Amino acid sequence: QKEVEQNSGPLSVPEGAIASLNCTYSDRGSQSFFWYRQYSGKSPELIMFIYSNGDKEDGRFTAQLNKASQYVSLLIRDSQPSDSATYLCAVKKGYALNFGKGTSLLVTP
Amino acid sequence: DVKVTQSSRYLVKRTGEKVFLECVQDMDHENMFWYRQDPGLGLRLIYFSYDVKMKEKGDIPEGYSVSREKKERFSLILESASTNQTSMYLCASSFAGATEAFFGQGTRLTVV
Repeated sequence: QKEVEQNSGPLSVPEGAIASLNCTYSDRGSQSFFWYRQYSGKSPELIMFIYSNGDKEDGRFTAQLNKASQYVSLLIRDSQPSDSATYLCAVKKGYALNFGKGTSLLVTP
Repeated sequence: DVKVTQSSRYLVKRTGEKVFLECVQDMDHENMFWYRQDPGLGLRLIYFSYDVKMKEKGDIPEGYSVSREKKERFSLILESASTNQTSMYLCASSFAGATEAFFGQGTRLTVV
């Protein structure tokens, strides 16, 4: 079992819709979770992080964490074509981050 | 603004060459990391360092070594480059004790 799993997609949503990106992890002791966005040919950039069960909102983005189910998700409201990118879920493991393979999101006008 | 700078965006090297990839950060971060990113495989950790002269193997250290002589600089060394080391290499840094990692712009290395 992979430590951090994401559906590779592509996930296609129309402009203005809510995009829902999901991630599961295998280490029940994990404490810190991160969402990165990566545009084609660019390096990953942090969108947000979450440590506690529940929801965390930042602008159009909401991260949701359920430690009992070992599940973390990212919701993007009012999706824009500029949100089209690969979204990487990462889980802290010791000093480093353990990444999923990413979900490709396409927002169509 | 955090700045993590990698010395080259694109690099082409020959099989068997010794290759140095350099990374510098300006935020006094304790931790520094080298990842490689390949289609279908995602980001994989090669090596990391949590202090000057300290290094730890990541998930795929074979064929690589690292050097950290100064806090701000972390070098990745390919001892004898091979074609299967053709990849995007990403350096990252972070403060000790958790929180997010910040990435450099990446070096796309091609070994021919």
